[in-house]
Amino acid sequence: DAGVTQSPTHLIKTRGQQVTLRCSPKSGHDTVSWYQQALGQGPQFIFQYYEEEERQRGNFPDRFSGHQFPNYSSELNVNALLLGDSALYLCASSFGGSAYEQYFGPGTRLTVT
Amino acid sequence: EDKVVQSPLSLVVHEGDTVTLNCSYEVTNFRSLLWYKQEKKAPTFLFMLTSSGIEKKSGRLSSILDKKELFSILNITATQTGDSAVYLCAVEFGNTGKLIFGQGTTLQVKP
Repeated sequence: DAGVTQSPTHLIKTRGQQVTLRCSPKSGHDTVSWYQQALGQGPQFIFQYYEEEERQRGNFPDRFSGHQFPNYSSELNVNALLLGDSALYLCASSFGGSAYEQYFGPGTRLTVT
Repeated sequence: EDKVVQSPLSLVVHEGDTVTLNCSYEVTNFRSLLWYKQEKKAPTFLFMLTSSGIEKKSGRLSSILDKKELFSILNITATQTGDSAVYLCAVEFGNTGKLIFGQGTTLQVKP
């Protein structure tokens, strides 16, 4: 049983560029949440997708957007990248929008130069 | 503003020691408190606590929640070098699945 998978593992982008990160949830899960973890900090909630809709959103600008597909996989898009967007981006999946048994993926390390 | 604060931020102990990690929170619409262990990238789930005073145990790890004083502790007894990691505390906001994390406690266990 595959757990939560994310791609790519690492990514280097230039300021002003756009990036798309991908997440496949654990089998049986229908909810995907995205978190940004800066170095030395705890993860910060970006948003959650359930039933292909953004259900919850944290304090992130509109440059951060997402999508959930019918197979429950999800994408995180970040436009007009800033140096401060450099972080580990974690995807977590669960069932029915709950935090119970929320499994995290290995993350995508984004570096903006 | 909702917040979760962990202490200490870092800790160095020797194998066999017992450690206590603290987590305090100010979150409106509290639903549950979760502990995670993060070794390299993906945080792995340890405990989920919803009721005060009920200790959860898993091997050498245990945790308890005090909803009156708004804090939780995570205890690790007979520490091993494999316990070295960042321990994250998170509070679930309402019945939403949205987690508010603390900044983490970095634990280093020396042989």
